[in-house]
Amino acid sequence: KNEVEQSPQNLTAQEGEFITINCSYSVGISALHWLQQHPGGGIVSLFMLSSGKKKHGRLIATINIQEKHSSLHITASHPRDSAVYICAVLTQGGSEKLVFGKGTKLTVNP
Amino acid sequence: DVKVTQSSRYLVKRTGEKVFLECVQDMDHENMFWYRQDPGLGLRLIYFSYDVKMKEKGDIPEGYSVSREKKERFSLILESASTNQTSMYLCASSLTSSYNEQFFGPGTRLTVL
Repeated sequence: KNEVEQSPQNLTAQEGEFITINCSYSVGISALHWLQQHPGGGIVSLFMLSSGKKKHGRLIATINIQEKHSSLHITASHPRDSAVYICAVLTQGGSEKLVFGKGTKLTVNP
Repeated sequence: DVKVTQSSRYLVKRTGEKVFLECVQDMDHENMFWYRQDPGLGLRLIYFSYDVKMKEKGDIPEGYSVSREKKERFSLILESASTNQTSMYLCASSLTSSYNEQFFGPGTRLTVL
């Protein structure tokens, strides 16, 4: 079983819809990252969080440490949000290594 | 803005060739990472370095080596390329710790024939 599981694997939405991508993990973590990868390969970091909730524009990330679960929400989705969204966790124990989920491919249709 | 650059976007090599992938970052970051990304498997860590001349194996180091002679440059070496090393290779850097944001390069799509 993977240490980081994302759902769904693929998601298709209509422009304007509210979108939720989920990430569950099975290990103790120090922090969790959400990343965005556009076609062509470039990856950018969206959020790093260790508790609570963060918001940036139309993106909201939440984490529940007790339930080992994080969600990424996109409000008023737009075709330019189409990308692969990747969850990654920094495991406890002093390691500098991130463990990645396999990603959720989001397609937003106009 | 932090910039992480990789020497090539696309590379085609033959089985058995020695392959060098170069990564350069311009923000004095201490940590640098090499990942490979394959469909259905996600990003997997090959090697990372937390200082000049220091390196640590990641999850899949077999068939690879690395070099970090200068702080800004981290090289991934395939001593004898094989077809199963055909993949997208991504370099990243972070300031001091993985608590910090990792900044990724554009990736190198390597095909080994």
